[in-house]
Amino acid sequence: AQTVTQSQPEMSVQEAETVTLSCTYDTSENNYYLFWYKQPPSRQMILVIRQEAYKQQNATENRFSVNFQKAAKSFSLKISDSQLGDTAMYFCAFMSSLNQAGTALIFGKGTTLSVSS
Amino acid sequence: KAGVTQTPRYLIKTRGQQVTLSCSPISGHRSVSWYQQTPGQGLQFLFEYFSETQRNKGNFPGRFSGRQFSNSRSEMNVSTLELGDSALYLCASSRGPNTGELFFGEGSRLTVL
Repeated sequence: AQTVTQSQPEMSVQEAETVTLSCTYDTSENNYYLFWYKQPPSRQMILVIRQEAYKQQNATENRFSVNFQKAAKSFSLKISDSQLGDTAMYFCAFMSSLNQAGTALIFGKGTTLSVSS
Repeated sequence: KAGVTQTPRYLIKTRGQQVTLSCSPISGHRSVSWYQQTPGQGLQFLFEYFSETQRNKGNFPGRFSGRQFSNSRSEMNVSTLELGDSALYLCASSRGPNTGELFFGEGSRLTVL
């Protein structure tokens, strides 16, 4: 069974700094999707960034980028120029590409990120 | 366009009761999945529906059930509530299976006393 591990329960950073959140996963599949979701205190989960395993190029979305190391099964999130609005819990998630798995996401336990001024 | 809508947002029940939660997906989305979020267990997949059929189910007891209607709206039901069922229940929709992106609602906060 697939597992997702986030080893940093809490992190803090100052505005304008860069922070990296770690995520490792375990799977025997070759094709899959990886995601970072953000859950602000209001609780609605928002997709931050998505990576397809067959793509070697690391995904980027504005200030957010990932370092995807397929062989090492590592998927870290880098937030550049941190802003107060980045304060949230961040979840790393895995989705199988197997048809029978549907859209079931396997989540890590999350990292609470606090951005201070 | 409107996002995923979940009702009710908050509810309090007592042990032994049953509860029904509702989810309206984004227009045009045909896949709806449900997750349970607790401080101890984190986010856990409950089940997924596509075109009124359950496609996948997580490791939860039979007290947890769901269904999807022809308009893609979904409900989940928990019978014989236990204290441990207190959680935030999140609904997510997507265009279809294996599309690679889910859109979440704000959740229904269930407290069991």
